[in-house]
Amino acid sequence: DGGITQSPKYLFRKEGQNVTLSCEQNLNHDAMYWYRQDPGQGLRLIYYSQIVNDFQKGDIAEGYSVSREKKESFPLTVTSAQKNPTAFYLCASSSVVGDRLPQHFGDGTRLSIL
Amino acid sequence: QKEVEQNSGPLSVPEGAIASLNCTYSDRVSQSFFWYRQYSGKSPELIMSIYSNGDKEDGRFTAQLNKASQYVSLLIRDSQPSDSATYLCAVIGAGGTSYGKLTFGQGTILTVHP
Repeated sequence: DGGITQSPKYLFRKEGQNVTLSCEQNLNHDAMYWYRQDPGQGLRLIYYSQIVNDFQKGDIAEGYSVSREKKESFPLTVTSAQKNPTAFYLCASSSVVGDRLPQHFGDGTRLSIL
Repeated sequence: QKEVEQNSGPLSVPEGAIASLNCTYSDRVSQSFFWYRQYSGKSPELIMSIYSNGDKEDGRFTAQLNKASQYVSLLIRDSQPSDSATYLCAVIGAGGTSYGKLTFGQGTILTVHP
C-alpha cells in the first residue's frame, strides 16, 4: 500500500543528545514536510523539501536539521540545541509544493526527554 | 492576529445534531482550504478540501467558503460519537514566501455525546 511511514513511534532523548526521526514515502511525491505539534496546538512547519538535495526552513527550524538525499526519504534530526523537543512530530508529503495540493501525513513520532 | 484562527472549543453537541466549526484566515490571496480530523494520539486525516466560494458537500460533511469575508466553515450533519475529535482548519499560502505552505489553526475539539 502507498503511504508515509514514520519511525520510531516513540523516542526518548537524553540531555545533549541528537536524535533522528525517520520518514519514508512510496507515493512518488516530490514534496515532503516536517511539522511539530504541541499539546492543544495546531501544527507548525519545521522544514520542507521540494526536490532531492534541496530543502527550506519553515517557521520553527532552529534546533533542527534535515537532509533529502533520496526522493523517498526525509529524515529530521533534533539536535541538542533544541531545548524543548518534547512534542508530536509529523511528516507529510504532496506531489509537488503547490497552492492547491493537500498534504497527507504519516502516523507521527512522539518525542520525550528522559 | 493569527494567520488561521478557529472558534475556541471545546464544542459539545448531542448525537444527531449539527456541529458547526468555524475558521477565519488573514491571507487574502489564499485559494485552497482544508479540514483535517485528528483523533486523540493520531495524525491528522484530510476530510474536506474547498477552493471556490460556496458549499461543498461530501456525505454528512459540508464545507463552506466565503473569500470576501475570509471565512471557512465545516458542518457535520447527524453527528455521531465517532465524530468526536479535534478538527483542524488549514490554509495554503498562494504568494511570496507563503506559497505552498500549509498554515494550521489551533484546532477545535468536538465531543458528540449519546
